[in-house]
Amino acid sequence: EPEVTQTPSHQVTQMGQEVILRCVPISNHLYFYWYRQILGQKVEFLVSFYNNEISEKSEIFDDQFSVERPDGSNFTLKIRSTKLEDSAMYFCASRRRESQETQYFGPGTRLLVL
Amino acid sequence: KQEVTQIPAALSVPEGENLVLNCSFTDSAIYNLQWFRQDPGKGLTSLLLIQSSQREQTSGRLNASLDKSSGRSTLYIAASQPGDSATYLCAVPSSTGNQFYFGTGTSLTVIP
Repeated sequence: EPEVTQTPSHQVTQMGQEVILRCVPISNHLYFYWYRQILGQKVEFLVSFYNNEISEKSEIFDDQFSVERPDGSNFTLKIRSTKLEDSAMYFCASRRRESQETQYFGPGTRLLVL
Repeated sequence: KQEVTQIPAALSVPEGENLVLNCSFTDSAIYNLQWFRQDPGKGLTSLLLIQSSQREQTSGRLNASLDKSSGRSTLYIAASQPGDSATYLCAVPSSTGNQFYFGTGTSLTVIP
């Protein structure tokens, strides 16, 4: 069964460094998402992406964050200058078509900022 | 803004017991509601998706109900097993369908 994959599974970085989290959505899906979950807290929406542009973003998704679909398969989240509070599990998700359909989530990347 | 609440926050039951997890949401204008399972340190596995036109959805030992007018959903797990131990999350989409609002989850422990 097709699944969303994410790399790396874990990343440790120093505060102020740039990180890129990678996702490969399910191949025939058109809508892509990033969420994050700070330890012990709710899963929070960051951004949605469709037709090569951001369709919606949350207050968390400030200028330090960017997303890109550099080719036909990858979907990336970049954090330009990481802060301690960016430490979290980051989930990528994709959906095939309409909002009535389910989102499929990847296994997540655990980011630790020191 | 949509607020999603789940009670109880934690639940511990002996194996074989039937149980109900609760989810409430403040804005009843939703397309659907989804229940997920999350194992410790892992991703989210979709369990059930209920469309706004449906009242129930079943998958194996799981049954989810949806009452839009009262802003509530329940997840019923029959004959619980130790392998059901996980955190269960409910989520509803925004009015645009572009984002999900998640509850804080119910952490379930099934004791052998």
